[in-house]
Amino acid sequence: SQELEQSPQSLIVQEGKNLTINCTSSKTLYGLYWYKQKYGEGLIFLMMLQKGGEEKSHEKITAKLDEKKQQSSLHITASQPSHAGIYLCGAVRNSGGSNYKLTFGKGTLLTVNP
Amino acid sequence: SAVISQKPSRDICQRGTSLTIQCQVDSQVTMMFWYRQQPGQSLTLIATANQGSEATYESGFVIDKFPISRPNLTFSTLTVSNMSPEDSSIYLCSASQGADTQYFGPGTRLTVL
Repeated sequence: SQELEQSPQSLIVQEGKNLTINCTSSKTLYGLYWYKQKYGEGLIFLMMLQKGGEEKSHEKITAKLDEKKQQSSLHITASQPSHAGIYLCGAVRNSGGSNYKLTFGKGTLLTVNP
Repeated sequence: SAVISQKPSRDICQRGTSLTIQCQVDSQVTMMFWYRQQPGQSLTLIATANQGSEATYESGFVIDKFPISRPNLTFSTLTVSNMSPEDSSIYLCSASQGADTQYFGPGTRLTVL
């Protein structure tokens, strides 16, 4: 099974509506990244969470990491067409010593209708 | 934050040929990585590019198929060898300073005919 489960897989909302995307890990997280990807392009870094209970915001996007560090949520307030894209969560895994790598969820495709 | 560029941005290749993708970071970084994103899928880590030594490959990826170079702290290349249509993907380079934020390049879209 996937180490990281994202839900929903896809989401269509009307402009101005709020929405939440979830990312659940089967293992305790060292850290959790959120990225946004436009179709066929690279990943844009949104936020990184490391501490249980941590919450970060950037413009209208807020991300939280739960106390047990196994689930994160990304919340967008008053969505706009510019928020459309694929949202990916990435879990930080220690690959030995001081080396870290990321494993990703399958992504959530967000469509915002004007 | 690190700014990462990749060349080429896209290419269409014939099966059996090889393509080398370049990744350039605007500052020295300790860690560089190569990912593959197959159509409709998420990112899968191919390997960690180690400066001055052989890359560390993930399960399912081998050096003969995906040779990687990292001659210095700002540059790496990934070669996709003896290509088949199944290699059609977006290939992404990323970089980080230790366990700090990992930034990604714009990706290389490869189509193999």
